[in-house]
Amino acid sequence: QLQLQESGPGLVKPSETLSLTCAVSGGSISSSTYYWGWIRQPPGKGLEWIGTIFYSGSTYYSPSLKSRVTISVDTSKNQFSLKLSSVTAADTAVYYCFRDMRGYGTFDYWGQGTLVTVSS
Amino acid sequence: QSALTQPASVSGSPGQSITISCTGTSSDIGIYNLVSWYQQHPDKAPKLMIYEVNKWPSGVSNRFSGSKSGNTASLTISGLQAEDEAEYYCCSYAGSSTLVFGGGTKLTVL
Repeated sequence: QLQLQESGPGLVKPSETLSLTCAVSGGSISSSTYYWGWIRQPPGKGLEWIGTIFYSGSTYYSPSLKSRVTISVDTSKNQFSLKLSSVTAADTAVYYCFRDMRGYGTFDYWGQGTLVTVSS
Repeated sequence: QSALTQPASVSGSPGQSITISCTGTSSDIGIYNLVSWYQQHPDKAPKLMIYEVNKWPSGVSNRFSGSKSGNTASLTISGLQAEDEAEYYCCSYAGSSTLVFGGGTKLTVL
């Protein structure tokens, strides 16, 4: 059974860079079938797609976050990562990593989510 | 790229059917048959319920069905059950390798 697990600091200071990692177990991130990525959900609000990556390193980002986001993959560790720079309180959210089985928003596996709070 | 439009809330009694709409534009829902639906219970990760407008992932009940007409996609839940009470989100491919979500609809089972 595929499992995804997010990890990273739960508190980040304003203007700093948020960094999260998603460890994948029970399957290979190097599969040519699947895509991987990140979605976030501010407290009490809806879902927002952040970006997607293919094992080859090809990336696709939300236009609204593109200037601040970097998603990378480490196939040797079977994990992928998110970096979001210049964070503000508006970036406070639960961050989910996902597997996209089609590459078009078909998120069939999710991590449990991790709350990241931006505060000084 | 604007969020898809969903009603804030819908409700129904056990055994009834309800439909949740998701309205986009001719640049997303209207042009691509790549709409998915997610169910989210409180403090849980979302769960894929429908993909590519009307396909079921393995293990999802066929009480959930999807359709599309023009720029609007719909999720219908038949034989409503108490455990269906949750937040529902639609998502569509929006071209240029981007995705967009709806704002979410809270389903209350009366």
